[in-house]
Amino acid sequence: KAGVTQTPRYLIKTRGQQVTLSCSPISGHRSVSWYQQTPGQGLQFLFEYFSETQRNKGNFPGRFSGRQFSNSRSEMNVSTLELGDSALYLCASSLDGGGGYTFGSGTRLTVV
Amino acid sequence: GQQLNQSPQSMFIQEGEDVSMNCTSSSIFNTWLWYKQEPGEGPVLLIALYKAGELTSNGRLTAQFGITRKDSFLNISASIPSDVGIYFCAGQPGGSNYKLTFGKGTLLTVNP
Repeated sequence: KAGVTQTPRYLIKTRGQQVTLSCSPISGHRSVSWYQQTPGQGLQFLFEYFSETQRNKGNFPGRFSGRQFSNSRSEMNVSTLELGDSALYLCASSLDGGGGYTFGSGTRLTVV
Repeated sequence: GQQLNQSPQSMFIQEGEDVSMNCTSSSIFNTWLWYKQEPGEGPVLLIALYKAGELTSNGRLTAQFGITRKDSFLNISASIPSDVGIYFCAGQPGGSNYKLTFGKGTLLTVNP
């Protein structure tokens, strides 16, 4: 059974640009969450989607957005990138949101 | 907002020793989770706890869901070199809130 797949693994962007990250959940999983991991702040929740609807949202500015498609695949977008957006972005999926989430390997975003 | 205090921040032990780490919260959680993260990878779920007082084992790992619902601990018995990594606790409020709040992690180093 394939795990959670995130693409790309690494990304370098310039300040002011925008970026789109992709996540393919485990087959059958309908809940997808996104987290930002930095050395200073640790793992911080961005948002959670279920059946194409955002159910929960973290405390991030509106530059961070996401969406989920009918096949449960998800994307997150960050516009007007700032240096502080450099982080490991992790996607996680679960059957319905409850219980344990399975994480992908993440996308390492570097903003220069 | 909810905060998780995880301790210790780091541990350096000899192979064969037992390890204990814990998390405390200012708020109640309905689910407690323990993850392990190795360099370059996303967190991997070790144990999920769903009921106050629950004690669950996974091989050499044992975790408990505190009776107050505000704490949890993880024990690793007879540590081996491959136990090296960062261990995170995470709490999920439940109901319609699927957000995971993570502790800052415990860095475990095992000396062979």
